[in-house]
Amino acid sequence: GNSVTQMEGPVTLSEEAFLTINCTYTATGYPSLFWYVQYPGEGLQLLLKATKADDKGSNKGFEATYRKETTSFHLEKGSVQVSDSAVYFCALSDRNEASGSRLTFGEGTQLTVNP
Amino acid sequence: NAGVTQTPKFQVLKTGQSMTLQCAQDMNHNSMYWYRQDPGMGLRLIYYSASEGTTDKGEVPNGYNVSRLNKREFSLRLESAAPSQTSVYFCASSSDRGYEQYFGPGTRLTVT
Repeated sequence: GNSVTQMEGPVTLSEEAFLTINCTYTATGYPSLFWYVQYPGEGLQLLLKATKADDKGSNKGFEATYRKETTSFHLEKGSVQVSDSAVYFCALSDRNEASGSRLTFGEGTQLTVNP
Repeated sequence: NAGVTQTPKFQVLKTGQSMTLQCAQDMNHNSMYWYRQDPGMGLRLIYYSASEGTTDKGEVPNGYNVSRLNKREFSLRLESAAPSQTSVYFCASSSDRGYEQYFGPGTRLTVT
């Protein structure tokens, strides 16, 4: 079956530091890959996505590249801000007509950015 | 455009009580989903509905039932609540043209 593995957290950084959160996946076929972000007390919001190999998703300074050869989709940001403090989830979609866009999530990585 | 809405936001139940969590979306999406979120375990799929009139079990369906009332609404019912069902519950929806899901704000349920 499908699975997603994220680097263990929590991660604590100082403002303006470089961020990497590792994500690797196991899937049959050619899944789409996502990063979702969850701010305290809220639901999940889509941060970025990539639907095929070598695609780069980007949003709000965050980037991730779909690497089929290493089955990875690592999240990066060059300079984090205090407002980036949240839980980040890597996910894959194994979509078909029978099941819709089912998502498989990683465990989540708590990021805290200190001023 | 409210997106995905969920009610209630918070609920406390005693063991054995029943309740229904409501979810509605106004994006004309065909597919809807119910997840539970527990610390250190990410989100796990309880049930989903790929289209109006169909429902299927996800990863952790035991102790739950669902109803796809119409295209907009997808409810989750706990017939006899147990402490193991203490969790945060999220509803989500997706269209046929996109792969991503859109999430509601969640319901925090405590079973004592």
